[in-house]
Amino acid sequence: GAGVSQSPRYKVAKRGQDVALRCDPISGHVSLFWYQQALGQGPEFLTYFQNEAQLDKSGLPSDRFFAERPEGSVSTLKIQRTQQEDSAVYLCASSLTGSHTIYFGEGSWLTVV
Amino acid sequence: TQLLEQSPQFLSIQEGENLTVYCNSSSVFSSLQWYRQEPGEGPVLLVTVVTGGEVKKLKRLTFQFGDARKDSSLHITAAQPGDTGLYLCTKTSYDKVIFGPGTSLSVIP
Repeated sequence: GAGVSQSPRYKVAKRGQDVALRCDPISGHVSLFWYQQALGQGPEFLTYFQNEAQLDKSGLPSDRFFAERPEGSVSTLKIQRTQQEDSAVYLCASSLTGSHTIYFGEGSWLTVV
Repeated sequence: TQLLEQSPQFLSIQEGENLTVYCNSSSVFSSLQWYRQEPGEGPVLLVTVVTGGEVKKLKRLTFQFGDARKDSSLHITAAQPGDTGLYLCTKTSYDKVIFGPGTSLSVIP
């Protein structure tokens, strides 16, 4: 596709519910990143893939957060047993290997009630 | 550990005024990017600077990279309401892009 596509754009989850957020990166982009952004703050790194390999997951806040990219293209960020502090915008970004220019999707807005 | 600092955190100015925002790090940047994020959107890349002392201009925006490559500034001339947004600087650390906390700019018509 022309840009990074994320779905759903908005998600309201009840506390304790599991959610899955999808990211379609730009075609041909090897690197894929997930970020969490609280209102008015800069994005915080969660995890990074190169193709299907998850090279860095140091930013995942707890073991309730899980990300995968099984075929090296589409990625899913899963949050189990959601809690109110998980409410945030989840941004996905992709880039070509060797390039530090990353392109962002519009984000998935998660509200846990 | 806060790898990047940005100042000011918030800035509200009148249309037509000039402004400068800053990005600082305790360590050297191999490269630095500035992004702008509008409400409800993802960040959009404005510029990449690589060389110490480098100055880049993008219409009314002037970006400067410090000689020691530890700091950068973004100057906006004659700000317009369309400049409103969150301005983010980033650095790359071990293949992951780290963002600063951002400067939230509001330009009042």
